[in-house]
Amino acid sequence: GAVVSQHPSWVICKSGTSVKIECRSLDFQATTMFWYRQFPKQSLMLMATSNEGSKATYEQGVEKDKFLINHASLTLSTLTVTSAHPEDSSFYICSEGDILYGYTFGSGTRLTVV
Amino acid sequence: QKEVEQNSGPLSVPEGAIASLNCTYSDRGSQSFFWYRQYSGKSPELIMSIYSNGDKEDGRFTAQLNKASQYVSLLIRDSQPSDSATYLCAVNVIPKTSYDKVIFGPGTSLSVIP
Repeated sequence: GAVVSQHPSWVICKSGTSVKIECRSLDFQATTMFWYRQFPKQSLMLMATSNEGSKATYEQGVEKDKFLINHASLTLSTLTVTSAHPEDSSFYICSEGDILYGYTFGSGTRLTVV
Repeated sequence: QKEVEQNSGPLSVPEGAIASLNCTYSDRGSQSFFWYRQYSGKSPELIMSIYSNGDKEDGRFTAQLNKASQYVSLLIRDSQPSDSATYLCAVNVIPKTSYDKVIFGPGTSLSVIP
């Protein structure tokens, strides 16, 4: 299956700063990358679908201006949490794949905003 | 109605027993169904995918799909303590105005007691 490299694994930032998370497809040209957020003891919530060369599609309730997604190439998608606040502290995970072969996840980024 | 539902558990089974995990979904148009395992603090890993009604076996795992009842299950035979994790059911949904996406259930926590 596809291999997804996600960085950083964890990050601590001050409230009000921005954090960028990268997901790189290592063996699969990911036209579409999915971004999820997971709070402790909760399931994965789809935030947005990132499409190469076009604007991301955000789920209802997800702020587009706060969670900036860029998918400039077939192998790289980034999520930037802008003006982060403590309530943005969560586990962010990217995923790629398709409905035929399943979806592979990156290792996740644990964001802590202090 | 939530799109994908699972019993949250925790489900406890003795080592060597069969663990049965259940999932229901609301979108009758869904065609692809996945079971993921997630250890605490880690990202999910794909266990099985199933697309047709009936059973699909892979080692100690059997996925069962009944599209008429909108029900998918996962059986784990000869359960091992290393199977203790949260099991996530995922279903593809095809929104009318967006890209195909995968929605996750809340997960069932499984504990295999030695």
